[in-house]
Amino acid sequence: GDSVTQMEGPVTLSEEAFLTINCTYTATGYPSLFWYVQYPGEGLQLLLKATKADDKGSNKGFEATYRKETTSFHLEKGSAQVSDSAVYFCALRTDSWGKLQFGAGTQVVVTP
Amino acid sequence: NAGVTQTPKFQVLKTGQSMTLQCAQDMNHNSMYWYRQDPGMGLRLIYYSASEGTTDKGEVPNGYNVSRLNKREFSLRLESAAPSQTSVYFCASIPGAGGNRGAHDEQFFGPGTRLTVL
Repeated sequence: GDSVTQMEGPVTLSEEAFLTINCTYTATGYPSLFWYVQYPGEGLQLLLKATKADDKGSNKGFEATYRKETTSFHLEKGSAQVSDSAVYFCALRTDSWGKLQFGAGTQVVVTP
Repeated sequence: NAGVTQTPKFQVLKTGQSMTLQCAQDMNHNSMYWYRQDPGMGLRLIYYSASEGTTDKGEVPNGYNVSRLNKREFSLRLESAAPSQTSVYFCASIPGAGGNRGAHDEQFFGPGTRLTVL
């Protein structure tokens, strides 16, 4: 079945450092790929998405490129901020009923 | 426009008790979902409703029932709570009702219900 694998956290880095979170997937169809972010005590919010191979999603300084050849959708940000401290979830969707398959989540801690 | 709302925010139950988690959205969305979030496991789909009047099982439906009361509301019921159901529960919705559009729609999440079963 479909699955998503994310790097384990927590990832701790200093403010203004480069942030990257690896995500790889296994899917039988042609999935849409998503990154969701969860701030402490809140629900999940969509950060960015890509719907086909080679698409790049971007939002709030974050980017991720849909790489079909490596089945990856790594999240990157050039200069992390303290406010980026959160849990990040990679997810995929292959069916038309909107169901998402999530990775385990990666906690990111950015220190001043 | 409140988005997706969930009640209660917190709940403590004893083993064997029953309760219903409520979810409502005011965005006129067609599809709604219930997930549970457990440490190290991400979110797992319990049930979903692709449109008013329909419900289907997700990945982990055992021990739960759902009701799509109307287009706005989608409730999750635990008939006899077990400690294994201690989790954070999230409700979500998307505009689409299936078909190609549903594959790309953003899911909007509620703030969650933290449930502890003793």
